[in-house]
Amino acid sequence: GENVEQHPSTLSVQEGDSAVIKCTYSDSASNYFPWYKQELGKRPQLIIDIRSNVGEKKDQRIAVTLNKTAKHFSLHITETQPEDSAVYFCAASIQAAGNKLTFGGGTRVLVKP
Amino acid sequence: NAGVTQTPKFRILKIGQSMTLQCAQDMNHNYMYWYRQDPGMGLKLIYYSVGAGITDKGEVPNGYNVSRSTTEDFPLRLELAAPSQTSVYFCASSSDPTTGELFFGEGSRLTVL
Repeated sequence: GENVEQHPSTLSVQEGDSAVIKCTYSDSASNYFPWYKQELGKRPQLIIDIRSNVGEKKDQRIAVTLNKTAKHFSLHITETQPEDSAVYFCAASIQAAGNKLTFGGGTRVLVKP
Repeated sequence: NAGVTQTPKFRILKIGQSMTLQCAQDMNHNYMYWYRQDPGMGLKLIYYSVGAGITDKGEVPNGYNVSRSTTEDFPLRLELAAPSQTSVYFCASSSDPTTGELFFGEGSRLTVL
């Protein structure tokens, strides 16, 4: 089955700096790559996603890049703010096969004021 | 719309007891999922369903059972609870695979002593 590795496990950045989280996946058939944000004690919520026919996608301060050949994808947060502090999860799935997401282990991001 | 509703939010079980975690969604979503999240870890898929009457195993199904008699409800049954089942359980739903986004419930924190 699919295996998703996520790095780093923790990330501390100064407010205003950028944060980058990287994930690799093992199943070349995976074609959907979402990122979820989970605040302490809350449910995961989708922040951005990318499909395998796209190399990059941006939404305000958040961007995701995908390299299908290398089987890795990354989340970039620019101009970080204290409210960006949370745990971020990457995931991968084959959408036609029930869209069963396989999650990475998570990255705890702390934005210091 | 309430979205995805899980009950109970918290539960303590003794080893060997059984219980059912309830999950209901009011978005008329066909796809529903149960994930567990161990402390500091990512989410692992337990079971999923692509529609009423259809269920299938995920990555970690042992010790659990599900049913899907209606579109709205997807209960998770724990038989003979073990300490290894101490976790936070999240139910999620999705309208169809092509949209991708999973909507999560608030989670159910289960402790087995």
